[in-house]
Amino acid sequence: QSALTQPPSASGSPGQSVTISCTGVSSDLGNYNYVSWYQQHPGKAPKLMIYEVTKRPSGVPDRFSGSKSGSTASLTVSGLQAEDEADYYCYSYGGSNNWLFGGGTKLTVL
Amino acid sequence: QMQLQESGPGLVKPSETLSLTCTVSGFSISSSNYYWDWIRQPPGKGLEWIGSIYYSGSTYYNPSLKTRVTISADTSKNQLSLKLSSVTAADTAVYYCARSIVGSSDNWGPGTLVTVSS
Repeated sequence: QSALTQPPSASGSPGQSVTISCTGVSSDLGNYNYVSWYQQHPGKAPKLMIYEVTKRPSGVPDRFSGSKSGSTASLTVSGLQAEDEADYYCYSYGGSNNWLFGGGTKLTVL
Repeated sequence: QMQLQESGPGLVKPSETLSLTCTVSGFSISSSNYYWDWIRQPPGKGLEWIGSIYYSGSTYYNPSLKTRVTISADTSKNQLSLKLSSVTAADTAVYYCARSIVGSSDNWGPGTLVTVSS
């Protein structure tokens, strides 16, 4: 199975909203609601931001939200802040005890 | 406060076996319903799921790596182990261990860089 597809880059100005997409196929992302999103700053381990498509772990600002339609999941960051600049990865169950990451999106706060 | 810490050789020769340990503190790896994952990230590239071990001992591997990967757990030491055989330069990466529940990895180790080179 192939990795999930994400745009390589996204950007927005402080205070704006930006949405990052993650596309799979009907047999993986489209068939399961086990989609999570990770934020990774340079040199650091990834941090869980969204799980099970829409749920936020304790401590994650409500500026971060997730959704899914068909085989595409999305992460929206509202009210962009400088500290949101990072790489973001989606992650989904691929079926048959296999898990898939997206290729990652570099978010730049202009 | 639970912590995970990866450890092992930072340099492995081609064709040899990469062996890493993840020591977990502040949480039992035998706790019900949790998975323990190994994930890697080549320099400058994206994340790749290597495999997982469930609290019950069941293991699951990335199909692209399964012929070379073994993940195990030592509950007496509260440690996880990763072995990757017949390594090549393509296996050079930062290797992370993480705790997860149904695909949500909420606690990660800091990662350890393993370079494959002669």
